[in-house]
Amino acid sequence: KAGVTQTPRYLIKTRGQQVTLSCSPISGHRSVSWYQQTPGQGLQFLFEYFSETQRNKGNFPGRFSGRQFSNSRSEMNVSTLELGDSALYLCASSLPGREETQYFGPGTRLLVL
Amino acid sequence: AQSVTQLGSHVSVSEGALVLLRCNYSSSVPPYLFWYVQYPNQGLQLLLKYTSAATLVKGINGFEAEFKKSETSFHLTKPSAHMSDAAEYFCAALSGGYQKVTFGTGTKLQVIP
Repeated sequence: KAGVTQTPRYLIKTRGQQVTLSCSPISGHRSVSWYQQTPGQGLQFLFEYFSETQRNKGNFPGRFSGRQFSNSRSEMNVSTLELGDSALYLCASSLPGREETQYFGPGTRLLVL
Repeated sequence: AQSVTQLGSHVSVSEGALVLLRCNYSSSVPPYLFWYVQYPNQGLQLLLKYTSAATLVKGINGFEAEFKKSETSFHLTKPSAHMSDAAEYFCAALSGGYQKVTFGTGTKLQVIP
């Protein structure tokens, strides 16, 4: 069974631009969570989606948004990029009823110049 | 709010020596607890998890962790370090439902030949 996939793996943007990252969960997984990882702040929870609905949200500004499609694939969008948004963005998926066990993708490394 | 503390951002051990990575959580209600490993430029891989069953949890690659409620600890151990264990390790806690996982700041393990 294929693991969690994230595209693109690497991305370079400039300040003020927007970016969309994609995550395809493991087949059968319906919950998708997003995390931001930076050297200074560590791993921080962004949001979680289940059946196309956002169930939980971390403490990030409204520039960070996401959505989930009917096939459980998820996208996150960051608008008006700032230098501080440079990070590794990780996506994780889990089975219905087993949300405590998350499987992580390899991440998308975003560099904002 | 839940918090997870990992003592020691860097730990060095000799190959073949005991590995001990420390993790303490703060919660009046024992949460689910996890250890993840992250290799460079990769996502997180679940090593083991505690979900209120046995207090001694065995994971992959010879790692194990013991949940001690009285000490609010969940330390990770491995009897004999291998060069391939060099990576960054994250302790995490899930409480309050859904996917709002709180991660520790991580411990980088160096294995010296």
